[in-house]
Amino acid sequence: TVMTQTPLSLSVTPGQPASISCKSSQSLLHSSGRTFLHWYLQKPGQSPQLLIYEVSSRFSGVPDRFSGSGSGTDFTLAISRVEAEDVGLYFCMQGTHTPRTFGPGTKVDIK
Amino acid sequence: EVPLVESGGGLVQPGGSLRLSCAASAFSFTTSWMTWVRHVPDKGPEWVANITPDGSGTYCVDSVKGRFTISRDNAQNSLYLQMNSLRVEDTAVYYCARDFDWGALDIWGQGTTVIVSS
Repeated sequence: TVMTQTPLSLSVTPGQPASISCKSSQSLLHSSGRTFLHWYLQKPGQSPQLLIYEVSSRFSGVPDRFSGSGSGTDFTLAISRVEAEDVGLYFCMQGTHTPRTFGPGTKVDIK
Repeated sequence: EVPLVESGGGLVQPGGSLRLSCAASAFSFTTSWMTWVRHVPDKGPEWVANITPDGSGTYCVDSVKGRFTISRDNAQNSLYLQMNSLRVEDTAVYYCARDFDWGALDIWGQGTTVIVSS
């Protein structure tokens, strides 16, 4: 399953919203009725961290300015008000099909 | 206490072997699916392999099948990746991670760097 992301880079003014699109080459709806699309952020010099799992569930400790949405093959990560600490590489990843696959990443920086 | 700590990376010639280790602590390793992910800068990460909690089931990406083997020792709270017949394209930072929900990796190690070069 090929994952694509747009844009590949994003420069945002603090306090402004941002969104990243992720598309899969096939539906991520599992036979269980669940959709295993997850979002990660890799901050500079750090390991990736889980932000959102199963499309829209915010992981423990993730600020509520992060939200996920979508279904089937089209998904979006939104940041309602970007803060300086949000800079880094954002990846989507699908867990519905084996092998699991990641998107190419979207680099977010601050204007 | 750092939950996952990888070791074993280094510089190796093409065709050589390395064994990566990942020591787990501060969570229930014995009931966790575990995963290896690798990442080359400026590219998306690549899921390499995962293993069931009891070690009876393993899954690898096609690019490493027949060359890499994932295993675990629950008595030692340790995860391993045996890498044989290494290729230049295997050069990456390798992370171990816990998979708590069908690819949702909630705990990551700090990574260990593997460089395959002559």
